[in-house]
Amino acid sequence: SAVISQKPSRDICQRGTSLTIQCQVDSQVTMMFWYRQQPGQSLTLIATANQGSEATYESGFVIDKFPISRPNLTFSTLTVSNMSPEDSSIYLCSVEEGASTEAFFGQGTRLTVV
Amino acid sequence: KQEVTQIPAALSVPEGENLVLNCSFTDSAIYNLQWFRQDPGKGLTSLLLIQSSQREQTSGRLNASLDKSSGRSTLYIAASQPGDSATYLCAPGSNDYKLSFGAGTTVTVRA
Repeated sequence: SAVISQKPSRDICQRGTSLTIQCQVDSQVTMMFWYRQQPGQSLTLIATANQGSEATYESGFVIDKFPISRPNLTFSTLTVSNMSPEDSSIYLCSVEEGASTEAFFGQGTRLTVV
Repeated sequence: KQEVTQIPAALSVPEGENLVLNCSFTDSAIYNLQWFRQDPGKGLTSLLLIQSSQREQTSGRLNASLDKSSGRSTLYIAASQPGDSATYLCAPGSNDYKLSFGAGTTVTVRA
């Protein structure tokens, strides 16, 4: 199974600033996704990170707020821009691999905006 | 849009009891279904993956069934242990490989 490393694991940020979260995978994968888990809630898909092209965003999420990069098949970043306290969540990177498309997750980034 | 419901929302049992966690989903056109475990403040650990053509999948004390046509999956955990205490998430996957998540069942196993 893929091993996924996310950085940072947690951060406390001032409102109005931006944070970039990194996701590194130990093997080349086609499908990479970013999810958000708000306090007490389940996971919601933010976007699909496409290698070599713009990310595909889900309804309710926009590129200006959550710009995503995917420069190669093992790495992606998610930026949370112009943060407000409502952005306080756990952000998770996920990959799917193999013919079975089993999904694996990073350990998450716990973001608190003050 | 896929809607996923997990029942019960919370479950507390003494050690040794078997656990039954239920998941229902509204769109039966799924590619697969995964069960995950999440410990507080942590990421997700994949427990079982069931392909849409399968009826069940087993791993150790865990067994998951899938009835795709009725939009249901059940996770069974045999002989529960305190280390099984966590939130369990059901996630049907679509044909474009996106997962939809239920709110989870939070399990507490009392020693």
